[in-house]
Amino acid sequence: DAGVTQSPTHLIKTRGQQVTLRCSPKSGHDTVSWYQQALGQGPQFIFQYYEEEERQRGNFPDRFSGHQFPNYSSELNVNALLLGDSALYLCASSLAGTGDFAQYFGPGTRLTVL
Amino acid sequence: AQSVTQLGSHVSVSEGALVLLRCNYSSSVPPYLFWYVQYPNQGLQLLLKYTTGATLVKGINGFEAEFKKSETSFHLTKPSAHMSDAAEYFCAVSEWGSQGNLIFGKGTKLSVKP
Repeated sequence: DAGVTQSPTHLIKTRGQQVTLRCSPKSGHDTVSWYQQALGQGPQFIFQYYEEEERQRGNFPDRFSGHQFPNYSSELNVNALLLGDSALYLCASSLAGTGDFAQYFGPGTRLTVL
Repeated sequence: AQSVTQLGSHVSVSEGALVLLRCNYSSSVPPYLFWYVQYPNQGLQLLLKYTTGATLVKGINGFEAEFKKSETSFHLTKPSAHMSDAAEYFCAVSEWGSQGNLIFGKGTKLSVKP
């Protein structure tokens, strides 16, 4: 049973650049959520995609955008990178309509902005 | 607004001792509650969840948690700590109708002494 996968594992960018992170959900799941985890903090919800649309969004600026593809995989894009964007970015998948909202996380992408 | 408070950023126990990690939540409607564990440089693994029904929930690796509505608590326990339990633990809340985005606490780092 394939779990949630994310790529790349690590990424180093400079301020002002743009970055794209990728996520493939657990087999059978149709919903993808993205979280940002700063060092020493709990994850913070960025947004959630379902049926190729952004269904809900946390308190993040428009520099953060995403996309979901017909195969349910997803991308997170961040424009005009700031030093404060350095964090572990976690993707989580779930199955809509089950009513329990259990989310299963991937290993994350560690983004460093210099 | 939902929120989660984890009391104690660091907890240290001896191997074989009781593990108790505290979590209190704030929610305007009946919550869904989760505990996740994060090992160094890894993503989050679901330990257990409470949605409806029995208030004592059993999870993986011998952990369990009890939902106490009157105390707005969801504390995590394990009767006997093992060295492999050393990790960071996160409590999270979700509300029905929120499409399942999780609000996390700041985490509790568990150390296990031999």
